[in-house]
Amino acid sequence: DAKTTQPNSMESNEEEPVHLPCNHSTISGTDYIHWYRQLPSQGPEYVIHGLTSNVNNRMASLAIAEDRKSSTLILHRATLRDAAVYYCILGAYNNNDMRFGAGTRLTVKP
Amino acid sequence: NAGVTQTPKFQVLKTGQSMTLQCAQDMNHEYMSWYRQDPGMGLRLIHYSVGAGITDQGEVPNGYNVSRSTTEDFPLRLLSAAPSQTSVYFCASSRTVLVEQYFGPGTRLTVT
Repeated sequence: DAKTTQPNSMESNEEEPVHLPCNHSTISGTDYIHWYRQLPSQGPEYVIHGLTSNVNNRMASLAIAEDRKSSTLILHRATLRDAAVYYCILGAYNNNDMRFGAGTRLTVKP
Repeated sequence: NAGVTQTPKFQVLKTGQSMTLQCAQDMNHEYMSWYRQDPGMGLRLIHYSVGAGITDQGEVPNGYNVSRSTTEDFPLRLLSAAPSQTSVYFCASSRTVLVEQYFGPGTRLTVT
């Protein structure tokens, strides 16, 4: 199974951009890159997903390396409500094998 | 639109007892799944369903049963609770497999 590697924790200042990295060197051609986040005492929340091209939505941007072996989730202006554990997950479109790792715990300082 | 709802929020069981965790969604999603999350860990997939009448096992299915008689409901049954099943259980649904899953608020289960 393709796996991802993320830093255990990161810190950011409020209203500054945050770049959360994810390495997935064994990604296959059919694997999508999914990002979820989990706020304290809540269920995970979908953030963004992509295959090859960079993606933007109202929550974040996803930058995917040309060789697809790494990606970066970009929060353009961190707020205190963005403090959460962020999970980078690989999953093929029709394959139900979504494995959540330990994720990156993001702390946002006022 | 309530999204994904789970009941109960908290439950304490004794070893050997059985119970059913309820999950319902009102988004007409075909895909539903159950995860467990142990302290300080990521989520692990227990069972999933790609539509009414269709279920399959995930990464950690032992000790759990599921059924999917309607699109809306996907209950998880613990047949004989064990302390190793102490965890937080999350139900999720999505329009298609894996993409944009919506998660419920979770059920915190303690087995003594």
